Formats: sequence, C-alpha cells, structure tokens
Amino acid sequence: DAGVIQSPRHEVTEMGQEVTLRCKPISGHDYLFWYRQTMMRGLELLIYFNNNVPIDDSGMPEDRFSAKMPNASFSTLKIQPSEPRDSAVYFCASSSGLAGTETQYFGPGTRLLVL
Amino acid sequence: AQSVSQHNHHVILSEAASLELGCNYSYGGTVNLFWYVQYPGQHLQLLLKYFSGDPLVKGIKGFEAEFIKSKFSFNLRKPSVQWSDTAEYFCAVNRANTGFQKLVFGTGTRLLVSP
Repeated sequence: DAGVIQSPRHEVTEMGQEVTLRCKPISGHDYLFWYRQTMMRGLELLIYFNNNVPIDDSGMPEDRFSAKMPNASFSTLKIQPSEPRDSAVYFCASSSGLAGTETQYFGPGTRLLVL
Repeated sequence: AQSVSQHNHHVILSEAASLELGCNYSYGGTVNLFWYVQYPGQHLQLLLKYFSGDPLVKGIKGFEAEFIKSKFSFNLRKPSVQWSDTAEYFCAVNRANTGFQKLVFGTGTRLLVSP
C-alpha cells in the first residue's frame, strides 16, 4: 500500500498567485481530510469529505480556500489568491468506516511558503 | 466546541527517563481519544487510541495512555524513553457514537530525548 500521497511536497509562491495542492487517499478509504499545521494554531481541520461529498468545511478560513474531490482517488485544495499568512504545512489524511474510532492515515504534507 | 489542551509544549529528557505528557479535553459527552506521533521528517502516525473498555491503553513502541473520565484527561506515558522517541506528540479527540469523524487536535508537545 502506497499510503496517502500528496503533491507537491514543497511549494514556494508569491502573494496573489493561485496554489493547488493534491492528494490521493488510500484505496478503499471513504473519508478524506485536509488539515493545516502552523506553529501558532497547531493542527487544524479545514474540511473533510465522505464518499467524495464535503461534510464539514467549517474550518476553511475564508473564500480564498476551496476543496474538491471529483472522484474517490483524488482531491485538491486550492488557495486563490494566496497570502503570506497561508504559509503552513498542509496535510491530507484518509480513513474508512463510520464509527469515528478509525485511524486516520496521514500523507507527508505539502510545505507551502507564500512570499 | 471541543478543545484539547497539551500543557507541555517542549519536553527534554535523558534516555531511560520516564515520560508523561498531559492531555486534557473539554467535552462532556462520550469521546474517542487518540495519540498521534510525528517523527522528524515523517508522517503523523497513530500511537494508540481509546474508545471503550479498559481505560489503560497500550500502543506501539512501549507507549501507554490512561483515560481518566473524571479528570477529562488522557495522558501519555512511557517508563523509559529512547533517543528514537524524539518527535512531536499530538493528542486528539472526537465525539463518540455519532459517526462524526472530525478530530480536534491539541497543539502538540515536542519531545527531545538526549542520548
């Protein structure tokens, strides 16, 4: 099993540019999560999907952020326009099952720097 | 809203010392509790979890955690740490029996074990 795959691993961009982060969950997992990790706020859930449908996007900071999951094996998190305060590590995770006790499997993260 | 507090942000120990990392949560209902670990340069991965039964839970690499409902706590312990335990440790909680997958993470504790 390849685990959760994220790309790119590192992204440096200038303020105002569009940034797209990509995630491939573990095959068979029906939940997908996007998290952001910063020194100040720790690890925050941005949005999660179940069977490709967004369930809770209350953590998405503002309209500049959007996430899609067009199929079971791919999701994107887009920031447009990007700002320096968006600099963080963005993690994708996936899991399966309904109980809430399931382990979430994390990808390696995308380290984003907005100049 | 749920919250998770990890009071120790940085811990420095010598090898063979005993470890206890504190975790407290604020939610009056039934919860599922998790400890995740992030080794340098690696993904977050599950150390252990509790959702029912024996409140003393054993995880990988000799770690254990005890759920004390009356104290809203789920402290992580290890009797004798090794240099390889150097990592960042995250406590997380979600609401049990709701199928609600949203995990709330603490801000993490960075552990440095000196050889």
